Amino acid sequence: GESVGLHLPTLSVQEGDNSIINCAYSNSASDYFIWYKQESGKGPQFIIDIRSNMDKRQGQRVTVLLNKTVKHLSLQIAATQPGDSAVYFCAERGGEGGKLIFGQGTELSVKP
Amino acid sequence: SAVISQKPSRDICQRGTSLTIQCQVDSQVTMMFWYRQQPGQSLTLIATANQGSEATYESGFVIDKFPISRPNLTFSTLTVSNMSPEDSSIYLCSAARGPEDQPQHFGDGTRLSIL
Repeated sequence: GESVGLHLPTLSVQEGDNSIINCAYSNSASDYFIWYKQESGKGPQFIIDIRSNMDKRQGQRVTVLLNKTVKHLSLQIAATQPGDSAVYFCAERGGEGGKLIFGQGTELSVKP
Repeated sequence: SAVISQKPSRDICQRGTSLTIQCQVDSQVTMMFWYRQQPGQSLTLIATANQGSEATYESGFVIDKFPISRPNLTFSTLTVSNMSPEDSSIYLCSAARGPEDQPQHFGDGTRLSIL
């Protein structure tokens, strides 16, 4: 069903600090996970993905950690910049046909 | 990654009318999807647009309200029919080359307001 509630969780960090955004997923059978960044007025932009046979994957300034035991996913952003300010969504692929189920989202605000 | 264009980017419509949203991908893709995103909320999948066959709708969404076409591997349309203010939302198209070759890439959405 659709998510309820009008207020996204917010994370506020100082420019240059590291950010950690967390996500709890629902389906222990999910085999693929993605993080997206959504800026105001735009569609979600792919950041990084990870398959369930991995625990960690690194990209440029970003790291995704997967803990299947507790069904938890996190996105770490190193040296956070004002341009990182956006809403971040995790998504899991747990259904058939490649369908993604999106988490509620976290709004990241970077203070200069 | 695929580049996805949606038209229109926004519209204001009268209740009871219908609007068709177009989604064009710059390369052939296996999978295309339509989502709805209400202000300040997450994305909800409306349906999977299947090329050459009827779309697969998620619970709570029906073909009469949201007819979808997928005539080829680069194009799809979503129609929002008999609109009411509750249909005011952002409608997003996404595409992926295949279920095993994720990720899905998104267009910038269509911002729809119903008066």
